Amino acid sequence: SYVLTQPPSVSVAPGQTATIPCGGFNIGSKSVHWYHQKPGQAPVLVVYDDSDRPSGIPERFSGSNSGNTATLTISRVEAGDEAEYTCQVWDNSNDHPVFGGGTKLTVL
Amino acid sequence: VQLQESGPGLLKPSQTLSLTCNVSGDSVSTSNHYWSWIRQQPGQALEWIANTYFSGSPSYNPSLRGRLTISLDTSKNQFSLNLRSVTAADTAVYYCARAVAGSSDWYHPWGQGTLVTVSS
Repeated sequence: SYVLTQPPSVSVAPGQTATIPCGGFNIGSKSVHWYHQKPGQAPVLVVYDDSDRPSGIPERFSGSNSGNTATLTISRVEAGDEAEYTCQVWDNSNDHPVFGGGTKLTVL
Repeated sequence: VQLQESGPGLLKPSQTLSLTCNVSGDSVSTSNHYWSWIRQQPGQALEWIANTYFSGSPSYNPSLRGRLTISLDTSKNQFSLNLRSVTAADTAVYYCARAVAGSSDWYHPWGQGTLVTVSS
């Protein structure tokens, strides 16, 4: 089945830009969705269809997708952005969703 | 829209896990969305379990097929999951979520999750 690869962790200083990659074979041909999850809380959709934001998600969150890598970018990172970020696509071959392993964003 | 899971917390091996997701702020009797269970085993990635639809047959993760039943209760505006013959490998946080059908389906919102531990 389709595999998504994410680095276990990314660190960034407050006010800087965080980039979280999500790798997959020809992922640029798929729509990618991103969630953040804080300990003990529900996952929250932050980007869908590569780069669209649900209502209530700040413009600081953006996404891109090309080739074999999709990227979630968080600009002007705040302490409250510290969470685990997970990418998701639809595996058309098996007709079900696939999730990446998640990346823990640490704000230094 | 809010989703809230409820479940037993602790089970013994070979028992049946029964989970319910109560939906508020939306109706499960809609063809605009469908409803899903997703779990996260300790240290593992999120894993899709099953979908239920207002109209249409449910779908199940092939790796769990044969042990799963998902159902929709429109009178109570909730949906449920039964997982039979549980083992320690079924220990996980179980989430319910509303699925949005698009070019590629996504999940929004999710429930808080309920921890299920299988132990003798």
